[in-house]
Amino acid sequence: DTGVSQNPRHKITKRGQNVTFRCDPISEHNRLYWYRQTLGQGPEFLTYFQNEAQLEKSRLLSDRFSAERPKGSFSTLEIQRTEQGDSAMYLCASSFTTGLRNTEAFFGQGTRLTVV
Amino acid sequence: AQKVTQAQTEISVVEKEDVTLDCVYETRDTTYYLFWYKQPPSGELVFLIRRNSFDEQNEISGRYSWNFQKSTSSFNFTITASQVVDSAVYFCALSESQYSGAGSYQLTFGKGTKLSVIP
Repeated sequence: DTGVSQNPRHKITKRGQNVTFRCDPISEHNRLYWYRQTLGQGPEFLTYFQNEAQLEKSRLLSDRFSAERPKGSFSTLEIQRTEQGDSAMYLCASSFTTGLRNTEAFFGQGTRLTVV
Repeated sequence: AQKVTQAQTEISVVEKEDVTLDCVYETRDTTYYLFWYKQPPSGELVFLIRRNSFDEQNEISGRYSWNFQKSTSSFNFTITASQVVDSAVYFCALSESQYSGAGSYQLTFGKGTKLSVIP
């Protein structure tokens, strides 16, 4: 297993365009998280999935943002009508939990979005 | 609302020196979890430790040690005999019981401390 994989690693887009990022978690992990990290700040929680169900969404996740995890495996994060304020590193993490056993969360290397 | 403060923005030390990274947290919960993550230049966050609020024992792992003091709401991290490979941004994070108790990693992070270890 190569860990959490995120694609693309870098994305430059023009303001107003839509972008989509992909996250492939560690294969047996049932939980998947999205965080956003702006320059000089710590990561901020956006949303998380348990299998294919989106269980929690931060108020940071405006209606221009949508995340899916259709088969409980990979996830996509789409930003519509991008704004310059969306420029950030988008981090994905995954973990495994059954209530009886909880692993730590493993993070991917992130997708750096630049909106010009 | 929960909050994590890492007052040290940047620290530089010479190799082999000891260094302590400070973390102060705020939460209304009596049950919570505290974390430290390392973020090297490659970008991924590397898990270092998770500690629940009922376990105030200090922990040592090789050159790393953690000091958890509920009385001062602090969870400080010390690297002994620092090495160049320790250069990274270090984040302290907090998760309240409603999330962590169910094994969730819905974390509140501090702003991080950038550690530079000079050869």
